[in-house]
Amino acid sequence: QKEVEQDPGPLSVPEGAIVSLNCTYSNSAFQYFMWYRQYSRKGPELLMYTYSSGNKEDGRFTAQVDKSSKYISLFIRDSQPSDSATYLCAVLNQAGTALIFGKGTTLSVSS
Amino acid sequence: DTGVSQDPRHKITKRGQNVTFRCDPISEHNRLYWYRQTLGQGPEFLTYFQNEAQLEKSRLLSDRFSAERPKGSFSTLEIQRTEQGDSAMYLCASSLASREETQYFGPGTRLLVL
Repeated sequence: QKEVEQDPGPLSVPEGAIVSLNCTYSNSAFQYFMWYRQYSRKGPELLMYTYSSGNKEDGRFTAQVDKSSKYISLFIRDSQPSDSATYLCAVLNQAGTALIFGKGTTLSVSS
Repeated sequence: DTGVSQDPRHKITKRGQNVTFRCDPISEHNRLYWYRQTLGQGPEFLTYFQNEAQLEKSRLLSDRFSAERPKGSFSTLEIQRTEQGDSAMYLCASSLASREETQYFGPGTRLLVL
């Protein structure tokens, strides 16, 4: 079992839709959970991170962690064509050194 | 804040050649990380430095790979005797030692081994 699992999609939605992106992880000891956005042929861009369980909101983006089910979610409200990218979830390993990434979900928002 | 920069952005080489990549982290960041990303996969950790000390290496980092950060600022990643399986995007990231959860990535170096 991989440490972080993410459905690669692709996911296609119309402009203005609410998008839900999800990951699961295997180790209950993980405490930090990150979401990165990666445009084609670019480096990953940190969107937001969450410590432990709970929600965190930043503009149109909401990150949610449910440690009881080892589930990580990113919600995008009022999606825009500029949101079209690959979204990577990641956890910080127990040693607090390396990030462990999911495979990424490719999102396409059509106008 | 100029962000993390990497050079070159693209490299095409023939199998068996050596290649070297450079990473300049965000200036106040004392931790520097190298990751590798292949098509359709998320980045995978290779190694990291705190200041000039290399503190952790992944099992992915074979003995053909060597990384340095001689003065605790920029870092180089060298691959000797390249193989076609080394073709990937090599990503550098940096953070403060107290903020490992916020790693900022550079644009990457895309390597193609023919």
